[in-house]
Amino acid sequence: IAGITQAPTSQILAAGRRMTLRCTQDMRHNAMYWYRQDLGLGLRLIHYSNTAGTTGKGEVPDGYSVSRANTDDFPLTLASAVPSQTSVYFCASSALAGADEQFFGPGTRLTVL
Amino acid sequence: GQNIDQPTEMTATEGAIVQINCTYQTSGFNGLFWYQQHAGEAPTFLSYNVLDGLEEKGRFSSFLSRSKGYSYLLLKELQMKDSASYLCAVRDSNYQLIWGAGTKLIIKP
Repeated sequence: IAGITQAPTSQILAAGRRMTLRCTQDMRHNAMYWYRQDLGLGLRLIHYSNTAGTTGKGEVPDGYSVSRANTDDFPLTLASAVPSQTSVYFCASSALAGADEQFFGPGTRLTVL
Repeated sequence: GQNIDQPTEMTATEGAIVQINCTYQTSGFNGLFWYQQHAGEAPTFLSYNVLDGLEEKGRFSSFLSRSKGYSYLLLKELQMKDSASYLCAVRDSNYQLIWGAGTKLIIKP
């Protein structure tokens, strides 16, 4: 693994189903982030984690949950997917919270029908 | 509220120079970032400004005026591979990034 990986690459999901998007980084970064990117809108922060064991809510947290059991992994869960959660989801990390540069994973394209 | 504005789309010619503007109104300011995002790919970091003035990095330069809430990204000697979206983001008082919608740059031969 080099950098940040996300899985799956893409997914089509029926409304009401539960889904976990996976994110793993091997850079030993303390801070991790989940964003969604929708056409015509900027990246919007869903949840973040400044260090292992802590999480925080971003701009659009409703309908999503996260956990940060260790430094490397930061999964995002949709408990009951709705069509408005159709989006491209990016996981990112930075060496420290508020660090200058965030490194992004390749993204997960999620479609909720 | 927090707001970051940048043009939706710009077109430029290979070999030319283009300036992409970004204006912002945010709750606090702890730096401004520019990222590049090719279609279907992840954003990648280009530049960071926290003090007023110009930061130059190869063919790319970024300028900041905090008093005007304004930044621009200057791309010189444009190449076809520069066709991408350019995202402006401001780090607010909570040290979270607020992102603009991005400027799609189309380079023509």
